[in-house]
Amino acid sequence: DTEVTQTPKHLVMGMTNKKSLKCEQHMGHRAMYWYKQKAKKPPELMFVYSYEKLSINESVPSRFSPECPNSSLLNLHLHALQPEDSALYLCASSQTGTSGRSQETQYFGPGTRLLVL
Amino acid sequence: KQEVTQIPAALSVPEGENLVLNCSFTDSAIYNLQWFRQDPGKGLTSLLLIQSSQREQTSGRLNASLDKSSGRSTLYIAASQPGDSATYLCAVKTGGFKTIFGAGTRLFVKA
Repeated sequence: DTEVTQTPKHLVMGMTNKKSLKCEQHMGHRAMYWYKQKAKKPPELMFVYSYEKLSINESVPSRFSPECPNSSLLNLHLHALQPEDSALYLCASSQTGTSGRSQETQYFGPGTRLLVL
Repeated sequence: KQEVTQIPAALSVPEGENLVLNCSFTDSAIYNLQWFRQDPGKGLTSLLLIQSSQREQTSGRLNASLDKSSGRSTLYIAASQPGDSATYLCAVKTGGFKTIFGAGTRLFVKA
């Protein structure tokens, strides 16, 4: 099973709402990632978790709050978002939690399309 | 700062044609280079991964090459089909967990 699942597929929220995105993988991967992708742009890294610990935060605003409750699950909590945060949010995973492995493939989920009104 | 560029930005070809997509990067200190396919509004599907010590990888009708010293990679698609229509992204893995993506080439294969 090389699948990364994400829920929900679509989400519409107001600027005062609180919502969460969920990502799950059962491949035993120990690194998990959140990316943000605007239309016709490449994915941009937001956060990386390695062995359930936050390894990278790419200066993401605090209205985005990641959480990794266990090795299979990654959440992204959203609060007080702005319309410019509307995008496709992609989750990915890779095998080890050790950086610098040259042969590792990242596996991506289908994404959550977020619209902030 | 690593920058990844893909040329052309868009490409339209008739079915059956062989084609080449280009990717260039500014810093040769990479761990690997990966080619992905993305259908509209969907996630990314990994096509090929080339480690920094390798020169090329093949999978079916796809062949990817890597010339690290010149900062270039190409993705060759043989006998293109309408089902190949998608956006193709190359991405380089730099230090740590960071992966830098190019803006992609949007491919349309006409039946």
